[in-house]
Amino acid sequence: GAGVSQSPRYKVAKRGQDVALRCDPISGHVSLFWYQQALGQGPEFLTYFQNEAQLDKSGLPSDRFFAERPEGSVSTLKIQRTQQEDSAVYLCASGENEKLFFGSGTQLSVL
Amino acid sequence: GENVEQHPSTLSVQEGDSAVIKCTYSDSASNYFPWYKQELGKGPQLIIDIRSNVGEKKDQRIAVTLNKTAKHFSLHITETQPEDSAVYFCAAMRGTGSARQLTFGSGTQLTVLP
Repeated sequence: GAGVSQSPRYKVAKRGQDVALRCDPISGHVSLFWYQQALGQGPEFLTYFQNEAQLDKSGLPSDRFFAERPEGSVSTLKIQRTQQEDSAVYLCASGENEKLFFGSGTQLSVL
Repeated sequence: GENVEQHPSTLSVQEGDSAVIKCTYSDSASNYFPWYKQELGKGPQLIIDIRSNVGEKKDQRIAVTLNKTAKHFSLHITETQPEDSAVYFCAAMRGTGSARQLTFGSGTQLTVLP
């Protein structure tokens, strides 16, 4: 596709629900990153994939957060037993070399 | 880990004036410094970047400078236009291959007044 695509655009979840956020990277991009952006803040690193390998997950805030990229293309970020502090915009980025291109994000609201 | 500080947090300029945003980083191993523009409801958009072996880069009205010794880099926008109004983020990347991670500053809300 022309750019990084994320879905859904908005997600409202009740506290305790599980959610899954999808990222379709730019075709051919080896690197894929997930970031969390709180309101009025810069994006915070969550995890990084190179093809299907998750090379860095040091930014995941707890074991309720899980990401996968099984075939080295589409990636899913799953959050189990959502809590109010999980409310944020979740950004996906794909890239070649150092340049990263971001999607529009999924805005997650946990009520 | 890397720490990126960005100033100012808000900046208002008159249309046609210049705007300057400054960032500092802590990790001397950082070697790539992009700048992103984020409009409301959208993801960050890469507008310019610079590598550690270069001191300055320019693209039309936008320029970035890097001082490796002082560990700071700046974004310069000349002849500002209302459509330049947005939040701007600096970032620093350290490492290559499996150790890559991009760390962002806290952002600058730029408002260009007509």
